[in-house]
Amino acid sequence: NAGVMQNPRHLVRRRGQEARLRCSPVKGHSHVYWYRQLPEEGLKFMVYLQKENIIDESGMPKERFSAEFPKEGPSILRIQQVVRGDSAAYFCASSRGGSGNQPQHFGDGTRLSIL
Amino acid sequence: TQLLEQSPQFLSIQEGENLTVYCNSSSVFSSLQWYRQEPGEGPVLLVTVVTGGEVKKLKRLTFQFGDARKDSSLHITAAQPGDTGLYLCAGSGSGNTGKLIFGQGTTLQVKP
Repeated sequence: NAGVMQNPRHLVRRRGQEARLRCSPVKGHSHVYWYRQLPEEGLKFMVYLQKENIIDESGMPKERFSAEFPKEGPSILRIQQVVRGDSAAYFCASSRGGSGNQPQHFGDGTRLSIL
Repeated sequence: TQLLEQSPQFLSIQEGENLTVYCNSSSVFSSLQWYRQEPGEGPVLLVTVVTGGEVKKLKRLTFQFGDARKDSSLHITAAQPGDTGLYLCAGSGSGNTGKLIFGQGTTLQVKP
């Protein structure tokens, strides 16, 4: 199964620590998107990356959050100095192209819990 | 700011009943996608609609995109317990960049 792979599936951090979330897109997909989901809510767009470039980061908080999609390896969403409000499910999606008509395939998410 | 309002938020029905979920906006979307999400899993794409007025069918599910591309609906005929889940509509943001704007979701429970 060559779907979107996210790890870890569950991550527990204490306030002030760093969280690193990884996403390996579908083989052949060069476009990656990160979304955040709070309980009983829809997904909120965070950032859109294409290999080595950030295309749109309009949904990502200006502080503590960063994302990268290097030439080799998975995309990483990094949250520094985590706070309780960062607790959520973080989903990664990938697509073959960058237009809105291209279907996005989602991973099963990383559930981040902040103690 | 583009927003998608999804209704109803919760729906509990008996097996065999029909239902419709609505997704509305004041903005025009270049395309609209419907997803279904199970607890603990990621959203799974059901359909993408692109053309205003377009109707697509997937077994007992019928999806419609409004003529003005501002709204969409999902109709399920003769619902079954296996249809239980969270249904999400998502529109492609301005500039058709691939960024998806999601509705808040409809939680559907179908009782046997």
